[in-house]
Amino acid sequence: DGGITQSPKYLFRKEGQNVTLSCEQNLNHDAMYWYRQDPGQGLRLIYYSQIVNDFQKGDIAEGYSVSREKKESFPLTVTSAQKNPTAFYLCASSIDPGQGPYEQYFGPGTRLTVT
Amino acid sequence: GNSVTQMEGPVTLSEEAFLTINCTYTATGYPSLFWYVQYPGEGLQLLLKATKADDKGSNKGFEATYRKETTSFHLEKGSVQVSDSAVYFCALSVGAGNNRKLIWGLGTSLAVNP
Repeated sequence: DGGITQSPKYLFRKEGQNVTLSCEQNLNHDAMYWYRQDPGQGLRLIYYSQIVNDFQKGDIAEGYSVSREKKESFPLTVTSAQKNPTAFYLCASSIDPGQGPYEQYFGPGTRLTVT
Repeated sequence: GNSVTQMEGPVTLSEEAFLTINCTYTATGYPSLFWYVQYPGEGLQLLLKATKADDKGSNKGFEATYRKETTSFHLEKGSVQVSDSAVYFCALSVGAGNNRKLIWGLGTSLAVNP
């Protein structure tokens, strides 16, 4: 089955530590996205990547970093500079954004808790 | 600027009741419109979409019509079930080419009681 996997489902870290969230897709999609979801705030875009080895900041990129070395993978690192990292993180992908109606497909999410 | 406004929740209904969740938008041009659903503890799933004015998207008994004159894309279902309890997000696509992105509403929580 094609889809997007995120691991782990739950992640716990101590304040001051960097942590990397995994996102893998086998849909052969060109573009990938990271969102953060907080209660009552909807989805906020962190970073996105249209092609391998290229990515752009979204609306709330401060304190986060990403890489896109392979088409299938788009890991997100939450650094110690992120002031309020506890949240639900969602990875998504889409076909070439220049084509079609542009729906995005989502993974199951990772809930990160930093104490 | 571009924006999406959804009715505030939570919405609480009894099983078999009629559902409407309002969504209005502000955008230039002709965006595509989407409804996504998020079940507790899960990611979002695309529920339905419409790409041009007067299009009706439908899936699993849910419907929404792209109304350009009222800039709306209200979600409806004739008879809800307990299993429809979830958060529903309205979204629109803006931009062109590689600058396209989705603008999200804040979500509307629906609880259906047996």
